[in-house]
Amino acid sequence: SQTIHQWPATLVQPVGSPLSLECTVEGTSNPNLYWYRQAAGRGLQLLFYSVGIGQISSEVPQNLSASRPQDRQFILSSKKLLLSDSGFYLCAWRDSNRVYGYTFGSGTRLTVV
Amino acid sequence: QKEVEQNSGPLSVPEGAIASLNCTYSDRGSQSFFWYRQYSGKSPELIMSIYSNGDKEDGRFTAQLNKASQYVSLLIRDSQPSDSATYLCAVVNSGYSTLTFGKGTMLLVSP
Repeated sequence: SQTIHQWPATLVQPVGSPLSLECTVEGTSNPNLYWYRQAAGRGLQLLFYSVGIGQISSEVPQNLSASRPQDRQFILSSKKLLLSDSGFYLCAWRDSNRVYGYTFGSGTRLTVV
Repeated sequence: QKEVEQNSGPLSVPEGAIASLNCTYSDRGSQSFFWYRQYSGKSPELIMSIYSNGDKEDGRFTAQLNKASQYVSLLIRDSQPSDSATYLCAVVNSGYSTLTFGKGTMLLVSP
């Protein structure tokens, strides 16, 4: 069966510090991968998605970036965090050959102080 | 701009009642629709999917789709306090690569 791992679960970072969040999927190959952010009281905002290694589509221009160095690994990064980057970051995957709903990881709650 | 609209709630129902959650979407080309449940502090969990007009039932949950009206709904029968959560409607965009989510409706089921 397929599983998605996301870490860390919580993170408190000072303004201006770098960020690296990692997500991996097991039990499948060539998944579509997604990064979403959910700010307090707001909906899920799609940040990046990838349909293959090295391919990244950005939905929202900001100081975040994403990379997919391996088939089942998706990384969200920032060089300098802003207060507005605080939120609940969610990685998700779906089978690239089927139009199913996404399966989400457990999420990372990021607080920028 | 593809949009998915939901009432934010909260929708309050007594235990045992039917909860009705509604969603409208703007992308006429959308073909696949999903309902997620999100408990406070947790990640969303897929509970229902629907692809054709009409009703789809799974246990106490029924999803309803009307593509002509661009309307999706979720009915929860015999609501339980454990159903208290935020319910997110999600729509596959026409290009099939991404989902657009509504902001969710908070459901509160009182014992």
